[in-house]
Amino acid sequence: AQSVAQPEDQVNVAEGNPLTVKCTYSVSGNPYLFWYVQYPNRGLQFLLKYITGDNLVKGSYGFEAEFNKSQTSFHLKKPSALVSDSALYFCAVRDMSWGNTPLVFGKGTRLSVIA
Amino acid sequence: GAGVSQSPRYKVAKRGQDVALRCDPISGHVSLFWYQQALGQGPEFLTYFQNEAQLDKSGLPSDRFFAERPEGSVSTLKIQRTQQEDSAVYLCASSLATGLASYEQYFGPGTRLTVT
Repeated sequence: AQSVAQPEDQVNVAEGNPLTVKCTYSVSGNPYLFWYVQYPNRGLQFLLKYITGDNLVKGSYGFEAEFNKSQTSFHLKKPSALVSDSALYFCAVRDMSWGNTPLVFGKGTRLSVIA
Repeated sequence: GAGVSQSPRYKVAKRGQDVALRCDPISGHVSLFWYQQALGQGPEFLTYFQNEAQLDKSGLPSDRFFAERPEGSVSTLKIQRTQQEDSAVYLCASSLATGLASYEQYFGPGTRLTVT
């Protein structure tokens, strides 16, 4: 079975500092990996995905993530945090080796960027 | 263009009542998904449609949950005889591609269901 772990419930960072939101995954085959962001009273918004190819994936709003197969990680990063980045972030995985499997989400990490 | 819309945005139901939640996907999106998001948790898969065909309903928690998409566009998630444990945000998502492939899913704002 596939699973996602987001080890931090909350991440606090000062505006202008780099941020990292951690994600590790478990699948039996090869993964498709996604990051979504959720603002209050709004649906999840797609940020970026890793399917194949370059391990460093660039996405919306200056976010990027690095796929590390040996560590089974897909951490979300941004070089300089903005107060407007404060939101709930979800990592998700699909096992591409098993055909039509659904997205499995982590529990989410709340990012708070302090001015 | 317009995104995924859901209605109602908020629903309060008394235990034992039936509820119906509506999802309007992005026009032309073949795939439609329903998720349940409990407080403090990530979304959990309920069911998946490709056009009007329900291809996966493995995540539906009980036979009180029923979903349909009769014309391959709008979908309705129905919960019969609601229980307090059904209280959650119900998210709908659509995707351009067939199957549950590498394409990202676009989510609606959700319906927050509270069962009292």
